[in-house]
Amino acid sequence: DVQLVESGGGLVQPGGSRRLSCAVSGFIFRDFSMHWIRLTPERGLQYVAAIHYTDGKIFYADSVKGRFTMSRDISKNTVYLQMGRVRPEDTGLYFCARVGEMGFFDSWGQGTLVTVSS
Amino acid sequence: EVVMTQSPATLSVSPGERATLSCRASQNVRTNLAWYQHKPGQAPRLLIYDTSTRAAGISARFSGSGSGTEFTLTVSSLQSEDFAVYYCQQSSDWPRTFGQGTKVEIK
Repeated sequence: DVQLVESGGGLVQPGGSRRLSCAVSGFIFRDFSMHWIRLTPERGLQYVAAIHYTDGKIFYADSVKGRFTMSRDISKNTVYLQMGRVRPEDTGLYFCARVGEMGFFDSWGQGTLVTVSS
Repeated sequence: EVVMTQSPATLSVSPGERATLSCRASQNVRTNLAWYQHKPGQAPRLLIYDTSTRAAGISARFSGSGSGTEFTLTVSSLQSEDFAVYYCQQSSDWPRTFGQGTKVEIK
């Protein structure tokens, strides 16, 4: 079975950092593009970052560019989201999701909650 | 970016009734649209992709239609497990964008 399990969420002070992890299993990790997507009360579901499986190129939403860094470790079947200089508006439930062959998000984790507050 | 607008924000429906959810795109996304279901504490689930194709294991109660800028998700004869939040999402352009969601609640 395909599984995605996020971890690393918690309370972070404004301006601080946090690293989220997404451990995947049940599929060949390097053959799929992966996204980080967050759910916030204000904006609903929002794309945060994406890594393409073909060349490993990484893309970011404008709202996190320069502050967040996505990466992957193929040997550990894990993708990461290093959050930096966080703001209160970064508060939300962070999901990792797999892009299926049809081009949509066919598998998701249950999410990890990040709260940015002093 | 393509702005996705869903209506209504909340839909109150009795079990056994039909629910019709709408999604509008700010520009033409052709048929590159999906619907997801999300329940609290669970992973979102892909229901429909390419506007009208049901994902693996999805009940025939769920159907999608539309093209261009106007899309509809229909849930016929709502079951207790169908009460959730539903999101549309376009994959026609970057960044991928979602609607704000429609909460389907028990009337």
